[in-house]
Amino acid sequence: EDQVTQSPEALRLQEGESSSLNCSYTVSGLRGLFWYRQDPGKGPEFLFTLYSAGEEKEKERLKATLTKKESFLHITAPKPEDSATYLCAVTHPGGTSYGKLTFGQGTILTVHP
Amino acid sequence: EAQVTQNPRYLITVTGKKLTVTCSQNMNHEYMSWYRQDPGLGLRQIYYSMNVEVTDKGDVPEGYKVSRKEKRNFPLILESPSPNQTSLYFCASSLRPVSSPLHFGNGTRLTVT
Repeated sequence: EDQVTQSPEALRLQEGESSSLNCSYTVSGLRGLFWYRQDPGKGPEFLFTLYSAGEEKEKERLKATLTKKESFLHITAPKPEDSATYLCAVTHPGGTSYGKLTFGQGTILTVHP
Repeated sequence: EAQVTQNPRYLITVTGKKLTVTCSQNMNHEYMSWYRQDPGLGLRQIYYSMNVEVTDKGDVPEGYKVSRKEKRNFPLILESPSPNQTSLYFCASSLRPVSSPLHFGNGTRLTVT
């Protein structure tokens, strides 16, 4: 069964303390991996899409990387406003699963001032 | 403003009373999908639609129905709700099913007593 696992479940950082979130997947024939940010009471917001191993994308203090089995979301010098739940999701290969999307359980990030 | 609109935001109902959660997008997106979010289980895909009159089951379709008669609308129907369908529901849309990021609505919190 295709699985997406995120770790850690929760992460508490001090402002300025850099760290990484992990998303590992077992979907074969990955067509795309997405990272989203979700604030309490709101729908997830798109951050990045990665398609192939070795690809990297950056946005402000966030950098996403992809290998054949996992993705990392690196947070450099985080600020309290980076506190949120971070979700990764993978799209399935073609055939009968085309269009299916599997999310990980998310990592709850809290950044203290 | 480009958006996905879900209604209602909050709904409390009783077991067995049919209900519909509406979802509408104004971005001319082909792909739409429904998710439920439960603590510890993350976002799970219920149904998705690649285009008008084309719908497919996600990972947790039991107890739900959908229809896609128009491109902009994708209602979620619970014909006989049960307490285990108490959850936070999100509708989302994207231009393409695999390569485009999802735009999420603000969610519908459903309680079935």
